[in-house]
This record gives sequence, structure tokens and C-alpha cells, in this order.
Amino acid sequence: KAGVTQTPRYLIKTRGQQVTLSCSPISGHRSVSWYQQTPGQGLQFLFEYFSETQRNKGNFPGRFSGRQFSNSRSEMNVSTLELGDSALYLCASSLWDQNTEAFFGQGTRLTVV
Amino acid sequence: GESVGLHLPTLSVQEGDNSIINCAYSNSASDYFIWYKQESGKGPQFIIDIRSNMDKRQGQRVTVLLNKTVKHLSLQIAATQPGDSAVYFCAEGGNRDDKIIFGKGTRLHILP
Repeated sequence: KAGVTQTPRYLIKTRGQQVTLSCSPISGHRSVSWYQQTPGQGLQFLFEYFSETQRNKGNFPGRFSGRQFSNSRSEMNVSTLELGDSALYLCASSLWDQNTEAFFGQGTRLTVV
Repeated sequence: GESVGLHLPTLSVQEGDNSIINCAYSNSASDYFIWYKQESGKGPQFIIDIRSNMDKRQGQRVTVLLNKTVKHLSLQIAATQPGDSAVYFCAEGGNRDDKIIFGKGTRLHILP
């Protein structure tokens, strides 16, 4: 069965722009979580969606948002990009919640210039 | 490939030896713990998990040990192979916030 798919793999944006990243979870998985990974801060939880509802949220500013569609596919959006938003954005899917085995995608490498 | 962390602690192990990677977790209320492996250019890959009602769990070539008294988690890899080279993350969850919190990671380097 297909794994977690994230698109695009690489993205370059300029400061002030906005960006939308996409994640297709494993078929049948209903929970999608997003993480930001940077060399300095490691892996940090952004938010989790389940059945089209945000179930949990990390400590990121409101510029970071997301949504989940009825087919469990999820998107995250970052508005008014800052240089510090440059990171690897990872999506993970699990059957029910984060406390069950999660499968990660390869990530989207976002570079803000 | 992707640089996961420029200043991660590194463990260098001879091929064929056993590796032990340690992790201190932060929340005494956490009751679910996971180890992930991240190879260059890839997302983290689930290795093994353990619930707080256990203190040891074994998988294929891997063993996770949990010491709740000192909030310590370890991952033991038997007969380390070149393919084990990666960054290893511990993560804790199941706490009141219901969030998964990742550790900073340890880079495992295999010596020939």
C-alpha cells in the first residue's frame, strides 16, 4: 500500500509570500500531524487533524494553519513567510491518533529567501 | 542529503557491535514512547514503541528499555550494520496535552 506522500519535495519562496504544502496519508488513516524540523530546534509539533477537525495544536504563531479534507488529505499553509520558516516540513499519518504508530512522509524542504 | 541536525551528539560503533542510544524524556505523565530512525533525505521511520506499563520490549534486533523512575528510555540495536547509520529520535506522548514531543536526536555512525 502506498505510503505518505508530500508535495512538493522542494520549494523556494521569498519573504512575505505564502505557501501551501500538501500531504496524502496512508489509505484508511484518519489522523494527520504536521511537524517542522530544523537543525536548531529539531522536530516540533505543529498541529494534528482528525476527521477534518484540528484536534491538537503546537506552539506556533497563527501564520501557520492547516486543514483536512473529507478524504483525509491535509494541507498546511504558512502566510507572510519569514526567513526563520525555512525548514523541513513533515507530515505523519496514523490510524487514530499520535499515540499509535505514525508513518512519516519524506517532507517538503521549504527555503525562504 | 538532508541535514537533520548540525550539532547532534554522535555515537560511533564498530560494525557488528551492539549500540545503545539513550534518551531522557521530560514529562512524567507521558505513557507512550517511540523510537524513530531518520536516514538522510528521508522522513522519520518508526522503529519500536513501548507503553508505560512495560519496562522492556523487543523487536527484530532492537530492544527498548523504559525506566520511569528516572524518566529514561534507551534503544539497543544488536549486531549493528552499516544500514543502521542514521539519526535516532525518541518521542514521548500519551500525556495530558496529547502531543508527541520529540527529543533532539542522536546520530549513529558505524565504523567499518
